[in-house]
Amino acid sequence: GAVVSQHPSRVICKSGTSVKIECRSLDFQATTMFWYRQFPKQSLMLMATSNEGSKATYEQGVEKDKFLINHASLTLSTLTVTSAHPEDSSFYICSARDGAALTQYFGPGTRLTVL
Amino acid sequence: AQSVAQPEDQVNVAEGNPLTVKCTYSVSGNPYLFWYVQYPNRGLQFLLKYITGDNLVKGSYGFEAEFNKSQTSFHLKKPSALVSDSALYFCAVRPNNQAGTALIFGKGTTLSVSS
Repeated sequence: GAVVSQHPSRVICKSGTSVKIECRSLDFQATTMFWYRQFPKQSLMLMATSNEGSKATYEQGVEKDKFLINHASLTLSTLTVTSAHPEDSSFYICSARDGAALTQYFGPGTRLTVL
Repeated sequence: AQSVAQPEDQVNVAEGNPLTVKCTYSVSGNPYLFWYVQYPNRGLQFLLKYITGDNLVKGSYGFEAEFNKSQTSFHLKKPSALVSDSALYFCAVRPNNQAGTALIFGKGTTLSVSS
């Protein structure tokens, strides 16, 4: 199946700093990518939908100025958590849609811990 | 509202026995249906999907699922469970008339296979 990579896999940062997470589709082009957040033993919560070359669409309750999303190419989307605080600690997962296969493929996730 | 239900938080089976993880949905139109598996601290791995055609679809690791339109169900099955199948399983749906939208996920079902 298609592969989606995510980097870094784990990051620990101090409160107030910004963290960038990269999501890449390795063997297909993804016009649309998605960013999710997952709390322990819970389902995935969609944060935003990222479309190549246009602004991301954020879900209700997600602060767009805090979670900056850039989808500059058909294989790369980035999520930047700005001025991170301990409550932003979570597991962030990206997903890329393979339009030809009509399937979303997921990255391995990034564990963010804000001290 | 469109939704996906996984009525069981946890399913316990003995190794070698058949397993079923249930999923029902409430989505307008003819949906695309998916199953994903998640191992601890990992992203989601695609197992199988139903788009159209034969109601019984076969996927990775010996899993299969049957689409039942009248019951709006898409239960995941495997004839003989392995201990290594123990993981968190998510059912997901996307209305096929809403291109570009993200998947709607169930809350997840933890499968525990005992030796």
